[in-house]
Amino acid sequence: GENVEQHPSTLSVQEGDSAVIKCTYSDSASNYFPWYKQELGKRPQLIIDIRSNVGEKKDQRIAVTLNKTAKHFSLHITETQPEDSAVYFCAAGYSTLTFGKGTMLLVSP
Amino acid sequence: EAGVAQSPRYKIIEKRQSVAFWCNPISGHATLYWYQQILGQGPKLLIQFQNNGVVDDSQLPKDRFSAERLKGVDSTLKIQPAKLEDSAVYLCASTRGQGSSYGYTFGSGTRLTVV
Repeated sequence: GENVEQHPSTLSVQEGDSAVIKCTYSDSASNYFPWYKQELGKRPQLIIDIRSNVGEKKDQRIAVTLNKTAKHFSLHITETQPEDSAVYFCAAGYSTLTFGKGTMLLVSP
Repeated sequence: EAGVAQSPRYKIIEKRQSVAFWCNPISGHATLYWYQQILGQGPKLLIQFQNNGVVDDSQLPKDRFSAERLKGVDSTLKIQPAKLEDSAVYLCASTRGQGSSYGYTFGSGTRLTVV
């Protein structure tokens, strides 16, 4: 089955800095790579996704890149704000999603 | 559109007791998933339904967990008997079409504590 590794497990940045979270996957059949944001005690919410026929996607301050050859994808958040503080999960799959263990992002004012 | 509904929000039971969780997906969503999220970890798939049929239950501990989706709409997940390690948030998700690439919408989850 699919195996997703996510790094780092925690990330602390100053407001206005950029944050990068990286994930690797094992199953070359995976064709969908979403990122979820989960605030404490709340449900995971989809923030951006990318499909295997695309190398990069951007939505305002967030972007995702995908390298199918190397089987890794990354989330980039620019101009971070305190409200970006949360746990971020990457996932990979085609029929079902396998999630990474999460990255706790802390943005200090 | 209304979101994925789950109940109860919280449940505390003693080990060896049984418990059931309910999920109502977004109207028209054919695919329904149950995930287990242990504190500090990512969600882990338990079972996937397509309409009222099981597509993937390879990670469901079938000696104690069972799930059904009668009539292809609501779903129930049951644990009997519960163990301490079952303490987790149980998340239900649904998607419009077949497969995850349509994007999951998660419910608020049921937080289970086994004491």
